[in-house]
Amino acid sequence: QVQLQQSGPRLVKPSQTLSLTCAISGDSVSTDGNFATWNWIRQSPSRGLEWLGRTYYMSKWFNDYAVSLKSRITISPDTAKNQFSLQLNSVSPEDTALYYCARAQNRAFDLWGQGTVVTVSS
Amino acid sequence: DIQMTQSPSSVSASVGDRVTITCRASQDITTWLAWYQQKPGKAPKLLIYGASNLQSGVPSRFSGSGSGTDFTLTISRLQPEDFATYYCQHAHNFPLTFGGGTKVEI
Repeated sequence: QVQLQQSGPRLVKPSQTLSLTCAISGDSVSTDGNFATWNWIRQSPSRGLEWLGRTYYMSKWFNDYAVSLKSRITISPDTAKNQFSLQLNSVSPEDTALYYCARAQNRAFDLWGQGTVVTVSS
Repeated sequence: DIQMTQSPSSVSASVGDRVTITCRASQDITTWLAWYQQKPGKAPKLLIYGASNLQSGVPSRFSGSGSGTDFTLTISRLQPEDFATYYCQHAHNFPLTFGGGTKVEI
């Protein structure tokens, strides 16, 4: 059974870095990108569901990011641990949200992590 | 970015009713559209991909249709477990974006 398990701190101070990890079981982060990509999505009352970015492997690693976050976001795979991570720099209270990792197949998100509520506050 | 507009934002219905939710894209997305169901405290669940393809394990009372800019999610006979919020999402290009949601209430 394929599962995604999220981990990471739930409270981050303004201007610091938000870091979350998504551990994959039953699939591989190195799965060909034609079949699966690995994504981060967040949800908040003000922004709704917002796709943040993805990483995937097709002979080499690729990333795509939401333009609004491109200067602050990094999504990276860890093949040794079969997981991928999100780093969001210089956070502000506007980054407070419920964060999900998700697998996409055919650009539809068929598998989701359990979600992590991250609060940005001093 | 492609904007996704759902209507209505909420709908009141009864068990056994037929419910239709509409999603409109701000530009042609062919059939690159997915539908999700989300219950409180849970992650969204994929129902439909490619506008009309039923995800494995999803009951056949759910169906999707449309192409271009106008799409529909239909629940043929509403069951108690179907009371939830439903979202559309385009998959035509990046960034992928979601609709604002439709809450199906008793």
